[in-house]
Amino acid sequence: EVQLVESGGGLLQPGGSLRLSCTGSGFTFSSYWMHWVRQAPGKGLLWVSRINSDGTTTGYADSVKGRFTISRDNAKNTLYLQMNSLRAEDTAVYYCARGNMASEYWGQGTLVTVSA
Amino acid sequence: QSALTQPPSASGSPGQSVTISCTGSSSDVGSYDYVSWYQQHPGRAPKLMIYEVNKWPSGVPDRFSGSKSGNTASLTVSGLQAEDEADYYCSSYAGRNTLVFGGGTKLTVL
Repeated sequence: EVQLVESGGGLLQPGGSLRLSCTGSGFTFSSYWMHWVRQAPGKGLLWVSRINSDGTTTGYADSVKGRFTISRDNAKNTLYLQMNSLRAEDTAVYYCARGNMASEYWGQGTLVTVSA
Repeated sequence: QSALTQPPSASGSPGQSVTISCTGSSSDVGSYDYVSWYQQHPGRAPKLMIYEVNKWPSGVPDRFSGSKSGNTASLTVSGLQAEDEADYYCSSYAGRNTLVFGGGTKLTVL
């Protein structure tokens, strides 16, 4: 069974940093593109970033470019999102998802709250 | 990276059909056949319903169908059922290794 489990969310102040993790199981993690997608409370989905299977190609939404960094450790079956210079508007549930142009498998999300 | 445009709401009675539109631009929907549709129930993770404009993932009923014309993609739900009531999001590849979502449509089954 394919599973994606996010962790690392929490409450922090504006300007702070946080690293999210997403551990995959039940599939060959190193064979798949992965994404981060976020959803602010009561709002819609926002694509954040994606990374190819070997970590050599990445893409970012304009709203996070230069502040967030996506990476992966295929030996640990883990996807990361390093988030720096956090703003109140980054408050959201962050989902990791498997796929290239579409994502059939999603984690349950981890909540990041940025507030003074 | 502008969000794709979806109507905020749509509705239909059980058994009826409803179509949700998703309008982008020549930079995303109009240029790539990588339009996907997701269903999201409250408090749940999104579920992929359609990929590459009109393909079904395993287990998704064929009551859900997708199409595209120019810069606009559409999701049609036929034979509406109570469990179809949810939020629906379209997404598209937008070039330069980026994707974009629509703002979402709340589907109500009357």
